[in-house]
Amino acid sequence: NAGVTQTPKFRVLKTGQSMTLLCAQDMNHEYMYWYRQDPGMGLRLIHYSVGEGTTAKGEVPDGYNVSRLKKQNFLLGLESAAPSQTSVYFCASSYSLRDNSPLHFGNGTRLTVT
Amino acid sequence: DQQVKQNSPSLSVQEGRISILNCDYTNSMFDYFLWYKKYPAEGPTFLISISSIKDKNEDGRFTVFLNKSAKHLSLHIVPSQPGDSAVYFCAASAHPGRPNPVNFGNEKLTFGTGTRLTIIP
Repeated sequence: NAGVTQTPKFRVLKTGQSMTLLCAQDMNHEYMYWYRQDPGMGLRLIHYSVGEGTTAKGEVPDGYNVSRLKKQNFLLGLESAAPSQTSVYFCASSYSLRDNSPLHFGNGTRLTVT
Repeated sequence: DQQVKQNSPSLSVQEGRISILNCDYTNSMFDYFLWYKKYPAEGPTFLISISSIKDKNEDGRFTVFLNKSAKHLSLHIVPSQPGDSAVYFCAASAHPGRPNPVNFGNEKLTFGTGTRLTIIP
């Protein structure tokens, strides 16, 4: 049972380059999320989705776009990377949006923007 | 403004002893609290949670205590084992209109900055 899979695991970008992070879950979860983790900041929600074809903004959405074309996939895009986007990115999914439905996280993507 | 604070970045505890991880919050509307555990190179995994209608929740070696008047929660691990060495995040959410069931919550989670627990054999 793979759970939540993120690709790639590592990436280095130059300022201004674009890239897409892929998240796939095999638990048939309706809800998916993208977080970033920075030192001294905890996990912060970038965007989330409440179902196929839907997306919504989280706490720190600027500079990112997302798409949920298929229920099992949630893509995070950086159109023009900036050094401030250097971070570890985590994708998560949950059965319900209610907070008593635990988040299942992927293993993260470490992104460095130079 | 960090609404959920874990003031101890790290903690070392002898194997077999009790580990106590602390978390303070400032938003009095928070009414649901969770702890996640994270190993290196892995994503966080859910550990235990507590609703504000309770002051204690226990699951095996893990117990979470909530002190609403002090806006403080703590995670107790006893006895501590080497496999408990990890980073622990507390998280909180607020639901205006409780106790009526509402279908939201996870998108409102606020995480703390984490405490790295090291269990010394």
